[in-house]
Amino acid sequence: QKEVEQNSGPLSVPEGAIASLNCTYSDRVSQSFFWYRQYSGKSPELIMSIYSNGDKEDGRFTAQLNKASQYVSLLIRDSQPSDSATYLCAVNPRTGGFKTIFGAGTRLFVKA
Amino acid sequence: NAGVTQTPKFRILKIGQSMTLQCTQDMNHNYMYWYRQDPGMGLKLIYYSVGAGITDKGEVPNGYNVSRSTTEDFPLRLELAAPSQTSVYFCASSSDPASTDTQYFGPGTRLTVL
Repeated sequence: QKEVEQNSGPLSVPEGAIASLNCTYSDRVSQSFFWYRQYSGKSPELIMSIYSNGDKEDGRFTAQLNKASQYVSLLIRDSQPSDSATYLCAVNPRTGGFKTIFGAGTRLFVKA
Repeated sequence: NAGVTQTPKFRILKIGQSMTLQCTQDMNHNYMYWYRQDPGMGLKLIYYSVGAGITDKGEVPNGYNVSRSTTEDFPLRLELAAPSQTSVYFCASSSDPASTDTQYFGPGTRLTVL
């Protein structure tokens, strides 16, 4: 089992819809969870971080964490074509020197 | 404030050649990282450093070396380049991970080994 798993997609949603991106992780002691957005040919940029169970909202983005189920998700409301990118889930297990583990990413296409 | 800078942006190497990828950050971050990203894959940690003079191996260190003589610079050395090292290389930095683990990435170096 991969340490951080994401559906590779592509996930295609119409403009204005809600995009739902999912991620599962294997290390139960993981403490920090992140969503990075990566446009084609560019470097990743952080869009959300979450550390405790529940929801965290920032503008059109909502991160959801369920540590019991080892599951973290990202919801993008009112999706825009500019949201089309690859979204990387990242988990910090807080063991062995703070090594963040990245998932392979989910490609999102928002159709105008 | 330039953030994290990397040079070069692109490079083509022949098998067996060596090169150094440069990385500099101006945010006074203690933690720095080198990742590689293969097509359709996530980021794989090559090496990381928790401060000047301290480095440690990540998930895929073979074929690479690093040094950290200053807080700002974290160069990655490729010795005897192989086609398997064709990838995009990202350098990143972060402040104290105990408080926030946000990593700031450089623009990347696209390396091709032929």
